[in-house]
Amino acid sequence: QSALTQPASVSGSPGQSITISCTGTSSDAGAYYYVSWYQQHPGKVPKLMIYDVSSRPSGVSNRFSGSKSGDTASLTISGLQAEDEADYFCSSYTSTTTLVFGTGTKVTVL
Amino acid sequence: QVQLVQSGAEVKKPGASVKVSCKASGYTFTSFTIHWIRQAPGQGLEWLGWINAGILNRKYSPKFQGRVTITRDTSASTAFLELTGLTSQDTAVYFCARAGPKTGTELDSWGQGTLVTVSS
Repeated sequence: QSALTQPASVSGSPGQSITISCTGTSSDAGAYYYVSWYQQHPGKVPKLMIYDVSSRPSGVSNRFSGSKSGDTASLTISGLQAEDEADYFCSSYTSTTTLVFGTGTKVTVL
Repeated sequence: QVQLVQSGAEVKKPGASVKVSCKASGYTFTSFTIHWIRQAPGQGLEWLGWINAGILNRKYSPKFQGRVTITRDTSASTAFLELTGLTSQDTAVYFCARAGPKTGTELDSWGQGTLVTVSS
């Protein structure tokens, strides 16, 4: 199974909105609504931000939202803040009952 | 609260095996699935496999099939990852994570990570 494809980096100014894409195949992201997004600050443990494409766990800011179209899922961060600077990874359930992660995106707040 | 506490850092020689533990607390261990994920230095997350702690179903990444074994001890609420035939490419932080109650595909709680260094 190949990793889901994410842009290496995305940047934005405080207050702006940014979107990170996550492209898979018809065997993973395109087949299921089981896409999750994780935020990881340097040296820290990943944190679940979005699950099932667009659901937010309790305690996660509503500035984070998710969507999916075809084989590509997206994470949008609105009202960008300095604390949002981190690495973001998507993951998807697959047709062989495994999980696959995305290649990761570094978000920079300018 | 849900907590996953992993065993300490390991240094292994090429060709050796390593076994990492992940002790769960704050929830019913047998009601959830545990996943194992690794992250090489400066790299992304890589999924290794999962175990259903209750009914003992397991699934491994094809990349690691034959080298990885995930087990659990329900009496100790602990999951284990064993990786054999270590090479320098296996140097990474290994994480355990619990799959949440919604769909079982979201990793809602993570261990602190265990650094495994493979060096001669």
